[in-house]
Amino acid sequence: GAVVSQHPSRVICKSGTSVKIECRSLDFQATTMFWYRQFPKQSLMLMATSNEGSKATYEQGVEKDKFLINHASLTLSTLTVTSAHPEDSSFYICSALSPLGAYEQYFGPGTRLTVT
Amino acid sequence: QQQVKQSPQSLIVQKGGISIINCAYENTAFDYFPWYQQFPGKGPALLIAIRPDVSEKKEGRFTISFNKSAKQFSLHIMDSQPGDSATYFCAASKGSSNTGKLIFGQGTTLQVKP
Repeated sequence: GAVVSQHPSRVICKSGTSVKIECRSLDFQATTMFWYRQFPKQSLMLMATSNEGSKATYEQGVEKDKFLINHASLTLSTLTVTSAHPEDSSFYICSALSPLGAYEQYFGPGTRLTVT
Repeated sequence: QQQVKQSPQSLIVQKGGISIINCAYENTAFDYFPWYQQFPGKGPALLIAIRPDVSEKKEGRFTISFNKSAKQFSLHIMDSQPGDSATYFCAASKGSSNTGKLIFGQGTTLQVKP
């Protein structure tokens, strides 16, 4: 099956610093990737859609200058949380849209971000 | 109109029983309905999905029932096992829009008792 990896799995950073999270599709090329945020015991909240070679599309209410997304290749998308604050602490999950049709989305294992 | 409503919020089932989770949607443009399973601290994993041209799809112990006129779909887990204890999310998307954006339900926490 399609495999999506994320790195790092956990990160702790100090308030005011920036953190980069990588999302890779390991065995397929993904033109489109998605970034989600999930709070404890809650559903997934779509933050943005990342398209290879073009600017990301952000959902309403998501600060694009705070959550920088780059999709530089067909297998890699990155999310950079800039000037992180404790309220940015969350579980960040990426997914990649299968190029094989059927609209299938494959999710990464997630990254736990803690801002102190 | 973009919402997907999922129930129940939590479910406790005895080992060997049937777990049933329901979802309802409003947007008739949705044409792809997947179910995801998520264990604590992990990303969601695609379990099974259905398109509106069929009323039922079965894969092993997992079955999706789809009622287009009622705009509802459900996940049935037969012979539920303790290893099935997880959070389940239904979702919907408009594949024809080519964006692939999924709208998720609120999630159901399933506990299967031994």
